[in-house]
Amino acid sequence: DAKTTQPPSMDCAEGRAANLPCNHSTISGNEYVYWYRQIHSQGPQYIIHGLKNNETNEMASLIITEDRKSSTLILPHATLRDTAVYYCIVRVAGGSTLGRLYFGRGTQLTVWP
Amino acid sequence: SAVISQKPSRDICQRGTSLTIQCQVDSQVTMMFWYRQQPGQSLTLIATANQGSEATYESGFVIDKFPISRPNLTFSTLTVSNMSPEDSSIYLCSVGLAGGGNEQFFGPGTRLTVL
Repeated sequence: DAKTTQPPSMDCAEGRAANLPCNHSTISGNEYVYWYRQIHSQGPQYIIHGLKNNETNEMASLIITEDRKSSTLILPHATLRDTAVYYCIVRVAGGSTLGRLYFGRGTQLTVWP
Repeated sequence: SAVISQKPSRDICQRGTSLTIQCQVDSQVTMMFWYRQQPGQSLTLIATANQGSEATYESGFVIDKFPISRPNLTFSTLTVSNMSPEDSSIYLCSVGLAGGGNEQFFGPGTRLTVL
């Protein structure tokens, strides 16, 4: 039962920043926000996750609003290889549901030359 | 991270038959999961493969249809039994590593077509 809302599709010019929004208005205090992506015909790939602070790694940045009801995944310099479906998932990081991921429809990001 | 392989990578099967999909990980992992991705759809969790005990199935999935084995910490199998065309999907296994961010790593998937 996905608890997130994402736009079905977005596009972005190569070299520009891609900003992918996600709404999770019913997020609980102990739930993290995770982002995965799935390039066509491949298994999903972990990108980043966060609880309430902004996070950055070598792939992307994650900005979570102060009320935690929404977040934005930022790919700072999108390339053609970033064309994929991006999934925003909220879940508890431990407990009885440890590890289980419930995917929504995601956002199809298309990066064009 | 973890390197995950699946066999077969794809198969075409006849209605009423069964197919067993293998998932092999290059290191011991605590958590293994099986997902299904129907054509044009998102991923749906089928079950958690528990080492040494019966798998934990999600709502809508039953052991008779999708029996799962997990004999050790690096290997699991999913069987799709008594197949019908509606079972045509990509089946993916994933593993979760203890500690860190609890992120999951996915295998390449098995593309199943049932005629």
